[in-house]
Amino acid sequence: QSVLAQPPSASGTPGQRVTISCSGSSSNVGRNGVNWYQHLPGTGPKLLIYRTNQRPSGVPDRFSGSKSGPSASLAISSLQSEDEAYYYCATWDDSVSTPVFGGGTQLTVL
Amino acid sequence: QVHLVESGGGVVQPGKSLRLSCAASGFRFRSSGFHWVRQAPGKGLEWVAVISSDGNNKFYADSVKGRLSISRDNSENTVDLQMNSLRPEDTAIYYCAKDSGYDLSAFDIWGRGTMVTVSS
Repeated sequence: QSVLAQPPSASGTPGQRVTISCSGSSSNVGRNGVNWYQHLPGTGPKLLIYRTNQRPSGVPDRFSGSKSGPSASLAISSLQSEDEAYYYCATWDDSVSTPVFGGGTQLTVL
Repeated sequence: QVHLVESGGGVVQPGKSLRLSCAASGFRFRSSGFHWVRQAPGKGLEWVAVISSDGNNKFYADSVKGRLSISRDNSENTVDLQMNSLRPEDTAIYYCAKDSGYDLSAFDIWGRGTMVTVSS
């Protein structure tokens, strides 16, 4: 059971906008920045969003992050087939003093 | 090119030991902290351990505390994970990841992982 709750799956058609939620608590998402990773099987995860809404160099602006209270979201606009992957949220948890991850969401592009 | 390459995975019996290694290249190794993150079959990511840039600070997940030990060699640009008293629940892909410095859970470079299977 992951500390951060994510829907196990999400889907969309090319060109659509999709959002993935990440639900935590006041000890993690509620008080710390949230990071998002894109993970393709057989590779290492890729940092997509850091500090809730910042994009590392090279990440398209189709990817955006936001947060409200203990919940965060990743939005992907203009969905492309190459976006099909697993997405994980992560943050620091003050109650255990370690990073914690969500269970991951498998995004399917129909 | 920036790279992290893990090695040392394999099949090991419960109670035995294994040592994983992560070789870094293409960036300033000595100024970076490093993490190990694992993914059990069919499961999500789980943070395992972190070591600071100077190697003096190390922290572990409760699930591995006392059994797994992280270390680094700044002359060889490697980060190791010594795994003792292994359990079947330690079966996972183990990833080495570089701390970005942006945030306490933002890791900006990852290896492809090495598989550890604990089974009799």
